[in-house]
Amino acid sequence: DAGVIQSPRHEVTEMGQEVTLRCKPISGHDYLFWYRQTMMRGLELLIYFNNNVPIDDSGMPEDRFSAKMPNASFSTLKIQPSEPRDSAVYFCASTRGGFYGYTFGSGTRLTVV
Amino acid sequence: TQLLEQSPQFLSIQEGENLTVYCNSSSVFSSLQWYRQEPGEGPVLLVTVVTGGEVKKLKRLTFQFGDARKDSSLHITAAQPGDTGLYLCAGFLTTDSWGKLQFGAGTQVVVTP
Repeated sequence: DAGVIQSPRHEVTEMGQEVTLRCKPISGHDYLFWYRQTMMRGLELLIYFNNNVPIDDSGMPEDRFSAKMPNASFSTLKIQPSEPRDSAVYFCASTRGGFYGYTFGSGTRLTVV
Repeated sequence: TQLLEQSPQFLSIQEGENLTVYCNSSSVFSSLQWYRQEPGEGPVLLVTVVTGGEVKKLKRLTFQFGDARKDSSLHITAAQPGDTGLYLCAGFLTTDSWGKLQFGAGTQVVVTP
């Protein structure tokens, strides 16, 4: 199994631009999560899906952030417009059930200048 | 404020020494997990503990879940440079679904040869 695949690994963009992060979860995992990690705030849950349906998006910072999961093998996290304070590492994770632990991707390091 | 408080925040030791990392909360967790994260990668699951008082061993790592299921510890015996990383505890509150894993801020461990 290739694990959770995220793209791109690095993204540098100018303030005001749209950014789209992509994630392919492990096949058979019904849950998909988007996290953001910064030195100041650690790992923050942004949103999670169960069977492609958004369950809890209370961690999404504001309306500039949106996430979709059109099918079981693909999800996107979009930021529009991006701001310098969005700079962070964004992780996607999946699991077939919390007890089994989450499998994280390698993350996307986003820098907004 | 994070539900799970980890201490210390940073630990630097020599190869061969022992170390203990603590994870505390005022909330009760149905289960608790420990992850290790290396630079440029996502967290990787080490162990899940479910029963109050449970002790699990993984080679030189010993994990304990408190009797009241509010705290946990990770003990490493004879640390090696390969143990270097960010250690994160994470848990599911008894009131939450399997979807919301709460993370602590992490303990950065550095083991020097």
